[in-house]
Amino acid sequence: DQQVKQNSPSLSVQEGRISILNCDYTNSMFDYFLWYKKYPAEGPTFLISISSIKDKNEDGRFTVFLNKSAKHLSLHIVPSQPGDSAVYFCAASAGSGTYKYIFGTGTRLKVLA
Amino acid sequence: GAGVSQSPSNKVTEKGKDVELRCDPISGHTALYWYRQSLGQGLEFLIYFQGNSAPDKSGLPSDRFSAERTGGSVSTLTIQRTQQEDSAVYLCASSTRQGSYEQYFGPGTRLTVT
Repeated sequence: DQQVKQNSPSLSVQEGRISILNCDYTNSMFDYFLWYKKYPAEGPTFLISISSIKDKNEDGRFTVFLNKSAKHLSLHIVPSQPGDSAVYFCAASAGSGTYKYIFGTGTRLKVLA
Repeated sequence: GAGVSQSPSNKVTEKGKDVELRCDPISGHTALYWYRQSLGQGLEFLIYFQGNSAPDKSGLPSDRFSAERTGGSVSTLTIQRTQQEDSAVYLCASSTRQGSYEQYFGPGTRLTVT
């Protein structure tokens, strides 16, 4: 039972263009969402988050959009850089203060120079 | 300051043997998490420690898995009688407060059971 799904295992984008990574969830109780980035042989690092009271959160080149009715969120990276090449995980939690996050399977982004 | 460290980085073991994986969290972090990432899967929650409270073990897949955290710092995840399906990357993370999204992950231990 995959409550958080990242249906695209990989994505290739040209340097300077926009990267869009998608994430779908099934549990309507999820109210806090995170994106993590993972380089090979390293642990995931926190990238950006969004609460269900918002539909957009922006941090520099990274923007996360949340569509609650569609149970869908996306991460936009503009402009994409070769250093952005990594695996991106979305994660979701339900309830304020919960420590249990359900992670997606990840999308491997490759930014081509 | 040092981040979360894990040892060993790689472990190859024979089926049926016991293994111990170690996690050193960031100093002062009261919360510690263990996750598992099997091939092609997301991060699977295993266990959570918060201060002196009883750990949440609800994610441990079987009674062959156990974990302890000594002195509120270092944690050890033990897998007894390893099976091939235990092969995965085991990740440890720590954070400063319950529910914080700021989980700092270690590099993981890649376990291969032959």
